[in-house]
Amino acid sequence: GAGVSQSPSNKVTEKGKDVELRCDPISGHTALYWYRQSLGQGLEFLIYFQGNSAPDKSGLPSDRFSAERTGGSVSTLTIQRTQQEDSAVYLCASSLRQQYAYEQYFGPGTRLTVT
Amino acid sequence: AQSVTQLGSHVSVSEGALVLLRCNYSSSVPPYLFWYVQYPNQGLQLLLKYTTGATLVKGINGFEAEFKKSETSFHLTKPSAHMSDAAEYFCAVTKQTSSASKIIFGSGTRLSIRP
Repeated sequence: GAGVSQSPSNKVTEKGKDVELRCDPISGHTALYWYRQSLGQGLEFLIYFQGNSAPDKSGLPSDRFSAERTGGSVSTLTIQRTQQEDSAVYLCASSLRQQYAYEQYFGPGTRLTVT
Repeated sequence: AQSVTQLGSHVSVSEGALVLLRCNYSSSVPPYLFWYVQYPNQGLQLLLKYTTGATLVKGINGFEAEFKKSETSFHLTKPSAHMSDAAEYFCAVTKQTSSASKIIFGSGTRLSIRP
């Protein structure tokens, strides 16, 4: 596609429910990144993929968070048993390759609200 | 380890005045440095980047930044502010190696423009 797309744009869920956030990177981009932006804070790195592999999962805050990527394209970030502190905007980005991490193109984000 | 510090979470200037957003970085290896801009309800957009070569880099919308190694700074400037510049600005750093995989972002500076 023309840019990185994310769905849903907004998600409201009850505490304890599982949610799935989707990211569709720019066509041909092999590297994909997930970030979390909490109110009043900067962007917190969560995980990145090179192809379907995730060499760096160091930013995932707990084992309730997981992500996968299939076919070297779409990625899904799953949060199990959501907590109120999970409320944030989840941003996805892609770049041509890992070595071009600085040329990241961001999607509009998914705003997650846990009630 | 790398980190970025943005001085001032909120900066307000008058339309037509100089814009100066401050960023200091910490890196044990040569850095790549960036400024991203985030307009309301939109994803991040790369404003400019320093990789190698000229230390004064020019970006979109009349912004520029200067890499000063001796001061470990990468401040963002624009000679004359426009109302459309109102947004959140993020300074970021990554490693200057082929294995760079993630960008470390600052906490952001919200720029407001007074008529």
